[in-house]
Amino acid sequence: KQEVTQIPAALSVPEGENLVLNCSFTDSAIYNLQWFRQDPGKGLTSLLLIQSSQREQTSGRLNASLDKSSGRSTLYIAASQPGDSATYLCAVRPKGGYSYNTDKLIFGTGTRLQVFP
Amino acid sequence: EAQVTQNPRYLITVTGKKLTVTCSQNMNHEYMSWYRQDPGLGLRQIYYSMNVEVTDKGDVPEGYKVSRKEKRNFPLILESPSPNQTSLYFCASTSLGQGNIQYFGAGTRLSVL
Repeated sequence: KQEVTQIPAALSVPEGENLVLNCSFTDSAIYNLQWFRQDPGKGLTSLLLIQSSQREQTSGRLNASLDKSSGRSTLYIAASQPGDSATYLCAVRPKGGYSYNTDKLIFGTGTRLQVFP
Repeated sequence: EAQVTQNPRYLITVTGKKLTVTCSQNMNHEYMSWYRQDPGLGLRQIYYSMNVEVTDKGDVPEGYKVSRKEKRNFPLILESPSPNQTSLYFCASTSLGQGNIQYFGAGTRLSVL
């Protein structure tokens, strides 16, 4: 059974720091991994999606890496800003059998990030 | 603008009173899903749909119903809500042609008293 874990559960950093959020998954049979941002009272915004054949994806100050064999992904945020404060979720789309057709993502419980001025 | 729209955003109801949460997407996606989010448990899939008239259970389907009569709409129905269905609900749709990115609505916060 696929499980997704995110460490740390919460993180508080001063503005300007570079930081790394971690995501691990137990089964390497995945189609892709997606990082989301969730703001209080709002929905999930997709930040980056990495296909299983890719090693990393970049968008602005964000860089996500994927090591499928070890079951790990990291989200790197450069020069953090107070506006980056949110909960960050990673999710995998599992592979195998009919699982692709279930449209199901397996989510971690998130890392709550606070960036203070 | 590409979006997934849920209504209502907030809902307080009483045990046993039937309710429907609507979901609509304007991206012509085939796949749609409903999730619930609970503290410490993360997001869990309730139901999903691969296309019109094709729906199936996710991980936590008990107490819920769905329908997919049109491609753009995927309502979630609680026939007899109970307090353990108090949660934050998200509708999502998936773009198969863009690397399977899943797009989410803004969420519906439901309280069942």
